[in-house]
Amino acid sequence: SAVISQKPSRDICQRGTSLTIQCQVDSQVTMMFWYRQQPGQSLTLIATANQGSEATYESGFVIDKFPISRPNLTFSTLTVSNMSPEDSSIYLCNTGSNTEAFFGQGTRLTVV
Amino acid sequence: AQSVTQLGSHVSVSEGALVLLRCNYSSSVPPYLFWYVQYPNQGLQLLLKYTSAATLVKGINGFEAEFKKSETSFHLTKPSAHMSDAAEYFCAAYRRSQGNLIFGKGTKLSVKP
Repeated sequence: SAVISQKPSRDICQRGTSLTIQCQVDSQVTMMFWYRQQPGQSLTLIATANQGSEATYESGFVIDKFPISRPNLTFSTLTVSNMSPEDSSIYLCNTGSNTEAFFGQGTRLTVV
Repeated sequence: AQSVTQLGSHVSVSEGALVLLRCNYSSSVPPYLFWYVQYPNQGLQLLLKYTSAATLVKGINGFEAEFKKSETSFHLTKPSAHMSDAAEYFCAAYRRSQGNLIFGKGTKLSVKP
């Protein structure tokens, strides 16, 4: 199993600014993922954070807006850049396998 | 492409009634399937999962789900709804090509007294 510590748990940010969300896993994992959950919506995959290479982004998400770092096998960050109110969502990091999935507690972001 | 479809964005039942939340998947290979529950302002909690063992899977809080390959379904049921079951429920499938989960759009369950 894996335990993921995600921070911050929530934040209120001004539009035009950036926020970096961190996820720390208590064991080495190959794959880490970042999801977004917009208000009243389901979870949508933003990107796969790869260690040692650039993140792989899903359609509709770009690196300039959501830069991701993965410096080692236990840590990743997601930055939400140049924020607008439309970025107000819950952001979650995740890891796992075909039989297990572990999520961070989520970051509830409000952009004003 | 692999997908998960949850029929009914909102289901309302009376307390004590049967809960049935529908989930269909598309996959060319046997899937790994999950049901999660999310209470208001809380994170995801795993209810149960299908990992190609028994087709009837029992989870927490009295929920169970049956994997039916012929119907490509993994519906979630509970014999008797409780007020505390009111929440959002998500069906998810493991995407082998990427190693991540694909989520359905979710079903909000309301329980009437």
